[in-house]
Amino acid sequence: EAQVTQNPRYLITVTGKKLTVTCSQNMNHEYMSWYRQDPGLGLRQIYYSMNVEVTDKGDVPEGYKVSRKEKRNFPLILESPSPNQTSLYFCASSFGWKNTEAFFGQGTRLTVV
Amino acid sequence: DAKTTQPPSMDCAEGRAANLPCNHSTISGNEYVYWYRQIHSQGPQYIIHGLKNNETNEMASLIITEDRKSSTLILPHATLRDTAVYYCIVRVAVTGNQFYFGTGTSLTVIP
Repeated sequence: EAQVTQNPRYLITVTGKKLTVTCSQNMNHEYMSWYRQDPGLGLRQIYYSMNVEVTDKGDVPEGYKVSRKEKRNFPLILESPSPNQTSLYFCASSFGWKNTEAFFGQGTRLTVV
Repeated sequence: DAKTTQPPSMDCAEGRAANLPCNHSTISGNEYVYWYRQIHSQGPQYIIHGLKNNETNEMASLIITEDRKSSTLILPHATLRDTAVYYCIVRVAVTGNQFYFGTGTSLTVIP
């Protein structure tokens, strides 16, 4: 089954403790991206990747890092999480960045206390 | 950055067609119209997209007006599982271009 898998689904952590949210897709998609969703703000793009070893900032990259060492994986790294990073995070992938649909993961609800 | 206007909420009787409108009066010639839905904080799910011709797939139909300033998503026989927030997005394909999800239309299918 074609899917985008995020882990963990839920995470509560403390300020400053490094964490990684994993994202994996099994569709051989080139394009992957991370979004965060906050009430009243819709989904905002954090980082995106056009292909292996190619990443770039989205609209809200501060406080986040990503890597794309393999085509299927695109982890999101929070080196020093802060409470304002409490949010619902989604990973998405698509065959390209042109007019194709994006497939989203089921989300990771992160709480930073 | 939202370029679309949607009603905040709608109801539809189960088994009837749900018609969700979207206004995108400033759409450019190279911008596509996409529809996604999100069920209770799950990941957004792609429904359909189009440029200027009407489109139909197994989930829905997309009707785009001739001047492309508005469109309607049609769910032909709404079920309770179609209760969700529906997002209408206009998007031009450029590097890194993201999907701008506004506040969408919250559709409630009533038994």
